[in-house]
Amino acid sequence: AQRVTQPEKLLSVFKGAPVELKCNYSYSGSPELFWYVQYSRQRLQLLLRHISRESIKGFTADLNKGETSFHLKKPFAQEEDSAMYYCALPVDTDKLIFGTGTRLQVFP
Amino acid sequence: DGGITQSPKYLFRKEGQNVTLSCEQNLNHDAMYWYRQDPGQGLRLIYYSQIVNDFQKGDIAEGYSVSREKKESFPLTVTSAQKNPTAFYLCASSADRGKLFFGSGTQLSVL
Repeated sequence: AQRVTQPEKLLSVFKGAPVELKCNYSYSGSPELFWYVQYSRQRLQLLLRHISRESIKGFTADLNKGETSFHLKKPFAQEEDSAMYYCALPVDTDKLIFGTGTRLQVFP
Repeated sequence: DGGITQSPKYLFRKEGQNVTLSCEQNLNHDAMYWYRQDPGQGLRLIYYSQIVNDFQKGDIAEGYSVSREKKESFPLTVTSAQKNPTAFYLCASSADRGKLFFGSGTQLSVL
């Protein structure tokens, strides 16, 4: 079955600490993967997509096909990174499925 | 001001009542989506539409219905058959696979 798993509901770190938000997937074929972010009182929005291999707001994510993972990383967390993060996987032509999300709390 | 507009922000449903959530977009996107967001369960796909006059069931379509008569509009009706309708509902549109633009959501509660 095609699935996205985010094993952590909550991740708490102090400002300046490294962050790794975990995402594992199950997909037959060559996957595309995305990270979405929802800041408090803001709309859910795209953070980054693996195909563009870019760094957004200091976050990066590498697709590891051997481990079927797409973990989101940032070397030094900032308080403004506190938000809900969702990993997402397109299945079929236009259908996008999401993981259950991880809430990141960055303490000062 | 381009984007996705959902209305109303808050909606209350009485038992046995059908209610309709509005979603309008002026981004000229072909694909539109409805997701339900519950704490601890993430986003679950209710229905999606790839083109006008066509739509497909998502993972939790039971108790919901949609229409796509215009490219700009994708209303969602929560019917009385949906026994647990209390949730936050998100509409989205897309012109690029996996890249969705979301509305600000509708919170539906049961009286």
